[in-house]
Amino acid sequence: KNQVEQSPQSLIILEGKNCTLQCNYTVSPFSNLRWYKQDTGRGPVSLTIMTFSENTKSNRRYTATLDADTKQSSLHITASQLSDSASYICVVTLNNNDMRFGAGTRLTVKP
Amino acid sequence: NAGVTQTPKFRILKIGQSMTLQCTQDMNHNYMYWYRQDPGMGLKLIYYSVGAGITDKGEVPNGYNVSRSTTEDFPLRLELAAPSQTSVYFCASSQRGGEVAKNIQYFGAGTRLSVL
Repeated sequence: KNQVEQSPQSLIILEGKNCTLQCNYTVSPFSNLRWYKQDTGRGPVSLTIMTFSENTKSNRRYTATLDADTKQSSLHITASQLSDSASYICVVTLNNNDMRFGAGTRLTVKP
Repeated sequence: NAGVTQTPKFRILKIGQSMTLQCTQDMNHNYMYWYRQDPGMGLKLIYYSVGAGITDKGEVPNGYNVSRSTTEDFPLRLELAAPSQTSVYFCASSQRGGEVAKNIQYFGAGTRLSVL
């Protein structure tokens, strides 16, 4: 069983709408939790990094939240744009530098 | 800066052939990584290096070898290609380890490999 589970697997929304992507993890103790954006045919690009003591981090229209008690994180995208179409990957880094990647959520934004 | 550069972008191998995937970075980063990404799966770490001359196995090292003779380059070698190695391979680099908050990992564009 994957130690970092993301939901939904895929999502289609209309341009201008908001959406929230979920990440549940079982690994602990962890050092930080990251969200990456991966465009088709490209490598992942870092969006946010949160330590275990932080519960929110924003990067432009992206807001990540973290609940270390329930081991859940979410990525909220506001006022979606066509360029937001990509896979969004949740990554949990353990204290020994071991990074565990989720399988990603595939987001499609339609005009 | 070019960042992390991977070559080739695509390659088709026959079973049993060997090849080297090239990765170079121009950011003077200490840490470099090789991952594979299979459909519907999270990235899996193959090998990593914390500096020139030092390499360590990741989660899925079997069938691969690496070397780190310089800070800039971190090639990945497949000696006897097998169909199970069909995947997309990503190289990444960072200044420090992932456990350091705010340490950003930079990825290359990937190499798509098919073994037939």
